[in-house]
Amino acid sequence: GAVVSQHPSWVICKSGTSVKIECRSLDFQATTMFWYRQFPKQSLMLMATSNEGSKATYEQGVEKDKFLINHASLTLSTLTVTSAHPEDSSFYICSAPSIAGSNQPQHFGDGTRLSIL
Amino acid sequence: AQTVTQSQPEMSVQEAETVTLSCTYDTSESDYYLFWYKQPPSRQMILVIRQEAYKQQNATENRFSVNFQKAAKSFSLKISDSQLGDAAMYFCAYRSGGGGTSYGKLTFGQGTILTVHP
Repeated sequence: GAVVSQHPSWVICKSGTSVKIECRSLDFQATTMFWYRQFPKQSLMLMATSNEGSKATYEQGVEKDKFLINHASLTLSTLTVTSAHPEDSSFYICSAPSIAGSNQPQHFGDGTRLSIL
Repeated sequence: AQTVTQSQPEMSVQEAETVTLSCTYDTSESDYYLFWYKQPPSRQMILVIRQEAYKQQNATENRFSVNFQKAAKSFSLKISDSQLGDAAMYFCAYRSGGGGTSYGKLTFGQGTILTVHP
């Protein structure tokens, strides 16, 4: 069935470095990818919506230059956290709307736990 | 904009008993979908149940059922015969039935942490 593969699942890095998170749609073309951020015991907050071949749409309060999103192909969307700092430590999840005929409303990646030291 | 509210940050239930999680939402749309997702400690998002707004009949999936009150904009989840594996964070979510560039976008409630006691 349709799957979204998200990598890495866990990353620890030093403050000031940039981190790239990839989400690949397997067996289907994801023209849209949603990127969420989740703090412990809190809800998923939508950060941005990426559409293949066009600029991402960011939610209010999300820094575009901080969280770079690229959706250059129908199977790959990436989120780059630039010059990461400890406050960027969080759980990041991507999801793509379901393909026609699927009984799943969205296909979620397994998430990336980002820890900035 | 649509909003989803879960007013119970935490709930607990004894194994084999029944528990109901509350959810209310606000929308001016007539075509939409509602969902309950389960997020266990692994943090995977697992779809529990879905409800189309145009359907009057409440959705049921084995031990999980919903009470969908469209006029009241309420969408509660009932878990019967609770099991230890039901322990997780549960999210109510809303999706518009329309298309456009935000097709498929989910709006989540704050979540309810469910503890199941043996």
